[in-house]
Amino acid sequence: EVQLVESGGGLVQPGGSLRLSCAASGFTFSDHYMDWVRQAPGKGLEWVGRTRNKANSYTTEYAASVKGRFTISRDDSKNSLYLQMNSLKTEDTAVYYCARASSSWEYYFDYWGQGTLVTVSS
Amino acid sequence: EIVMTQSPATLSVSPGERATLSCRASQSVSSNLAWYQQKPGQAPRLLIYGASTRATGIPARFSGSGSGTEFTLTISSLQSEDFAVYYCQQYNNWLGTFGQGTKVEIK
Repeated sequence: EVQLVESGGGLVQPGGSLRLSCAASGFTFSDHYMDWVRQAPGKGLEWVGRTRNKANSYTTEYAASVKGRFTISRDDSKNSLYLQMNSLKTEDTAVYYCARASSSWEYYFDYWGQGTLVTVSS
Repeated sequence: EIVMTQSPATLSVSPGERATLSCRASQSVSSNLAWYQQKPGQAPRLLIYGASTRATGIPARFSGSGSGTEFTLTISSLQSEDFAVYYCQQYNNWLGTFGQGTKVEIK
């Protein structure tokens, strides 16, 4: 059974940093592109960024709203995905989901974690 | 960036009735369109990909159609568990974008 479990959310002050983790199981993690998607309270879904797999050099992409502040990484030996968030703003407050891209050429998300809440507030 | 626009924002439907949700792309996304269902407090769940292919375990009452810029999700006979928010997502390019969602509520 595919499982994605996020952790690391919490309350942080504006300008602060936080690192989210996503533990994956039940599939060959190293084969898949992995993404982060967020959802502000009462709002819709916003794609945050992606890390490709080893075959595609672990390259990353980011939404304009987080580029330069957020960094996605992965550790295939630990079946884990990470999101390092720096220079946090109040508008970064959201539930952050890790999601598995179906394949390297189809970027829809066939599995999602349960999400972890990040609150940026003073 | 491809902008996805869903309509209506809210759809009031009685159980057993048909629901039709629309999603429009600002430029062609071919058939690279997915639909997700999200219930309160839960993560989104994949319903449809490739515009019309049901994901594993999705009931046949859910169907998707369309290509290019116009897409439709149809729920043929609404069950109590179908009242939720539905999102479309294009994945024609690496920057996958979501629509703003349609809330299907009980009439």
